[in-house]
Order: sequence, then structure tokens, then C-alpha cells
Amino acid sequence: EIVLTQSPATLSLSPGERATLSCRASQSVSSYLAWYQQKPGQAPRLLIYDASNRATGIPARFSGSGSGTDFTLTISSLEPEDSAIYYCQQRSNWPPIPFGPGTKVDIK
Amino acid sequence: EVQLVESGGGLVQPGGSLRLSCAASGFTFSSYEMNWVRQAPGKRLEWVSYISSSGSTIYYADSVKGRFTISRDNAKNSLYLQMNSLRAEDTAVYYCGRWDGKGGDHWGQGALVTVSS
Repeated sequence: EIVLTQSPATLSLSPGERATLSCRASQSVSSYLAWYQQKPGQAPRLLIYDASNRATGIPARFSGSGSGTDFTLTISSLEPEDSAIYYCQQRSNWPPIPFGPGTKVDIK
Repeated sequence: EVQLVESGGGLVQPGGSLRLSCAASGFTFSSYEMNWVRQAPGKRLEWVSYISSSGSTIYYADSVKGRFTISRDNAKNSLYLQMNSLRAEDTAVYYCGRWDGKGGDHWGQGALVTVSS
């Protein structure tokens, strides 16, 4: 079973700053990694699929990169509405279809 | 507009049963795989179960295998999760999600299940 880890656990940044979130898989998932955003009391929202492809309607400030075991979600210029928890999820070797533990992004 | 609406959540005693439903609209339900994902209070998202578009392929997380049953009725545009032998650790918000093969691209608003005596 593939295990996903995410770092940092919490990121506190100011509007306009760049956020870099990491997701690491315990074994290669090729490019089969997705990123989700979840705000309090809301369902998750798909941001990125297959490591680097933005989902429909996702702003260009969100980008993903990586392959194999190391992946990055970058928010180029933080907006106040980007305050949320961000989860990665792999679909390379499933079931199961695990999520990572999440990175909380706080906007100062 | 794609819509997924869960129902059937509530308070149930340990060992009890509950059936969640997810009503889909705004897309061709029979063409899409579906998942149930849950989130315990303050915890990460946890994948629970998957069903293929035809219902012929089904998977479960180990934590619910043998207790939960996923099913779908394509004629009624509905997804279900039958939950038996419920435990306190099953307490969570349960989300149904449309799976487009690359990720969960649409989700319902969630149904709260509380298992407590």
C-alpha cells in the first residue's frame, strides 16, 4: 500500500507570497497524483490531476509538478481565499486511493 | 450543472445500520465511476469505497470491508452506501464524489453520520 506524506503541516504566509507544498509517496506513483483544496465545512475541490494538469475552472496561480515519488503544489501569489487545507491523492496503485495528511495554509 | 446531494445521515447506536444515498443530476450518471470518502472530525480525508460506472467493479477500504456495501442504480441516478455494524470510529462526514478517472472532480455537500450511544 502506497503511503503519502505531506510537508509542511502548516504554512503561514501573507497575501501575494508564493506557497510551496510538498507531497511524497512511499513508492513511485508515476504522474498519477492529484491535489485537492478543502475549506472548513466544505467538500474537497479538485485542483490538479496527473501531477501538473489544472482541473476545470482552477486559477492559473495554482500549478503542480513532479513525478515518481516527489510532487509539489505551488500557489504563485496567495489570495485570502486560498486559506484551506490541501491534500494530495494517488491513483497509481489502487485500491486503496489514499489521501495525504494535508497541509494547512494560513493567510496572515 | 453537476449536482450530488447526499442524504440519510444521522445518529445511530454502535452496532446499528444506516443507508446513505447520493442523488446525481446534471450529467450522465451511468458513464461515471463513483466514490465515497469520509472525514472524521478534525481528521484527514479517508477513501471508503469505489464503484465502476456499471457497478461491476467494487472496492472497499480495509476499515469498512465486510460492513459497508456500495451500490448504484443508474436508472435512478443514485449511489448508495449501506453501513452495518457501525462503530464509534465510523463517525464522520461522508461525501459522494464523481470520479472521472483522474480524480474526484465533483463532490456532494456531505452527510454527517454520528455513531454514539
